[in-house]
Amino acid sequence: GAVVSQHPSRVICKSGTSVKIECRSLDFQATTMFWYRQFPKQSLMLMATSNEGSKATYEQGVEKDKFLINHASLTLSTLTVTSAHPEDSSFYICSARGLDSNSYEQYFGPGTRLTVT
Amino acid sequence: DAKTTQPPSMDCAEGRAANLPCNHSTISGNEYVYWYRQIHSQGPQYIIHGLKNNETNEMASLIITEDRKSSTLILPHATLRDTAVYYCIVRADNNNDMRFGAGTRLTVKP
Repeated sequence: GAVVSQHPSRVICKSGTSVKIECRSLDFQATTMFWYRQFPKQSLMLMATSNEGSKATYEQGVEKDKFLINHASLTLSTLTVTSAHPEDSSFYICSARGLDSNSYEQYFGPGTRLTVT
Repeated sequence: DAKTTQPPSMDCAEGRAANLPCNHSTISGNEYVYWYRQIHSQGPQYIIHGLKNNETNEMASLIITEDRKSSTLILPHATLRDTAVYYCIVRADNNNDMRFGAGTRLTVKP
């Protein structure tokens, strides 16, 4: 089956610094990638949708200048949390939908746990 | 606005069938029913999906009522590793978004 990886799996950073999270589709080309955030004991919340080569579409309430998304190739999307604060500490999960895969499946990465101190 | 309703938690004995219900009374004709699960601190895992017919794969069976207003995910022989949060999602096939509700926390007990 299709595999999506994320790097790093966990990261700790200091308040005010920026953190980049990578999402890669390993064995398929992803025209669309999605970024989710999950706080403890809560469900996944969609943050943004990115299409290769174009600007991401952010969900209401998600600051696009704080959460920078780049989808520069069909196998890589990055999420950069700028000027991170402790309230940004969360589990960030990406998912990808392929070029020619069956339209129903969306493949999820293993997640990145961000802790801002 | 929630498109699906699921019980917050369920228990199941190991080796028995786990039947997880989902209500989606406002489902549209072009919307599919998807099931994903999330084991603690991992990304969601696709289980199964269907439109109106019952579906079965190596992981589970999906039973959709004739009026499509509800469905049941069946894990035929639950194991301890099936302990997870199970999400029922409705989505039109041409809609990119996969939006998660609260899900059902299934605990399989020995």
